[in-house]
Amino acid sequence: LAKTTQPISMDSYEGQEVNITCSHNNIATNDYITWYQQFPSQGPRFIIQGYKTKVTNEVASLFIPADRKSSTLSLPRVSLSDTAVYYCLVGDIYNSGNTPLVFGKGTRLSVIA
Amino acid sequence: DAGVTQSPTHLIKTRGQQVTLRCSPKSGHDTVSWYQQALGQGPQFIFQYYEEEERQRGNFPDRFSGHQFPNYSSELNVNALLLGDSALYLCASSLGRVYNSPLHFGNGTRLTVT
Repeated sequence: LAKTTQPISMDSYEGQEVNITCSHNNIATNDYITWYQQFPSQGPRFIIQGYKTKVTNEVASLFIPADRKSSTLSLPRVSLSDTAVYYCLVGDIYNSGNTPLVFGKGTRLSVIA
Repeated sequence: DAGVTQSPTHLIKTRGQQVTLRCSPKSGHDTVSWYQQALGQGPQFIFQYYEEEERQRGNFPDRFSGHQFPNYSSELNVNALLLGDSALYLCASSLGRVYNSPLHFGNGTRLTVT
């Protein structure tokens, strides 16, 4: 299973765009990338998932360069409610939800008014 | 459409006791995974159940066991509780036969061992 490396913490002001980069140098051909968000005393919540290039949904964008050794989660115009821990994970595309996704320590994002 | 539900939400046990935690997956999901999350850490994979069988297991001792029922709900059992078992226990469900099926988590059971 590919190991991921993320910044431990980040601070941002309300209304700014936040980019959290995750390094996964040993990502395999079959691996896809998923990001989760977790608030205190709650379970992680799926944000976005991708394999290559760019993926966008109503919450965030995910940028994956051609070599796929890193990925960047982009949160547009963050608000105080985006304060949470963000996890980057990689998993086998052919094992889907059956893959025991490995969580790291995540990135603690603090949004300041 | 109900999401993943876990019970109880909080539990206090004494060292050496046994505990059973319960999970109902999101409607339509057939795979259940259990995670343990210590304070300040990311969730750690315990095991996964699919078609009522343990499909994969993480690095947890045999004191941790589980079960999946025909309706896809699941239980996590921990025997001979240790102080170090105090954590948030998370259940996640997914679709076993769908590529890239994201995990849907419940809000967990907070277990305190004294």
